[in-house]
Amino acid sequence: GDSVTQMEGPVTLSEEAFLTINCTYTATGYPSLFWYVQYPGEGLQLLLKATKADDKGSNKGFEATYRKETTSFHLEKGSVQVSDSAVYFCALSEPNFGNEKLTFGTGTRLTIIP
Amino acid sequence: DTAVSQTPKYLVTQMGNDKSIKCEQNLGHDTMYWYKQDSKKFLKIMFSYNNKELIINETVPNRFSPKSPDKAHLNLHINSLELGDSAVYFCASSQVVPKRGPYNEQFFGPGTRLTVL
Repeated sequence: GDSVTQMEGPVTLSEEAFLTINCTYTATGYPSLFWYVQYPGEGLQLLLKATKADDKGSNKGFEATYRKETTSFHLEKGSVQVSDSAVYFCALSEPNFGNEKLTFGTGTRLTIIP
Repeated sequence: DTAVSQTPKYLVTQMGNDKSIKCEQNLGHDTMYWYKQDSKKFLKIMFSYNNKELIINETVPNRFSPKSPDKAHLNLHINSLELGDSAVYFCASSQVVPKRGPYNEQFFGPGTRLTVL
């Protein structure tokens, strides 16, 4: 079955540091890939997405590129801020019209210190 | 305007009780979902409904029964609550448009934190 593997957290960085959160996936078909973010006490928000190989999703300074050859979708940001502190989830959805579901990684807690 | 709303936000109850969590979406989506997030933040799908029809049921105990009175609502009823049911439950919705290809952006509610004592 489908699965998503994220790097273990928690991750603690200083403000303005470079961020990478690794994500690799296993899928039987050709999935769409997502990063969701969960701020403290809130629900999940879609951060960015990519639907085909070599697509780059980007939002709020975060980027991730769909790499089919390495089955990866690593999240990066050049200069993190305290407000980026949250839990980040990598997820995939296989094409199965009408029967799609999101398969999530375990989440990576990110803490940014001033 | 709230896109996906859940009530209540917090629910504390005793073992053995029966409780319900309500979810409503005003996005006009045709598919709704329930996810469970455990204490380690792991998220797993429980159910999905498309136009009031059950599509996904991921080996969830029979004590959990989703009900969809219309495509804007998906409620979750839990019978005989157990300690292990304590978690945060998230509702989500999406518009599954087959002709647009493999794409499933889901919009999540704020979550309901259930604590079973």
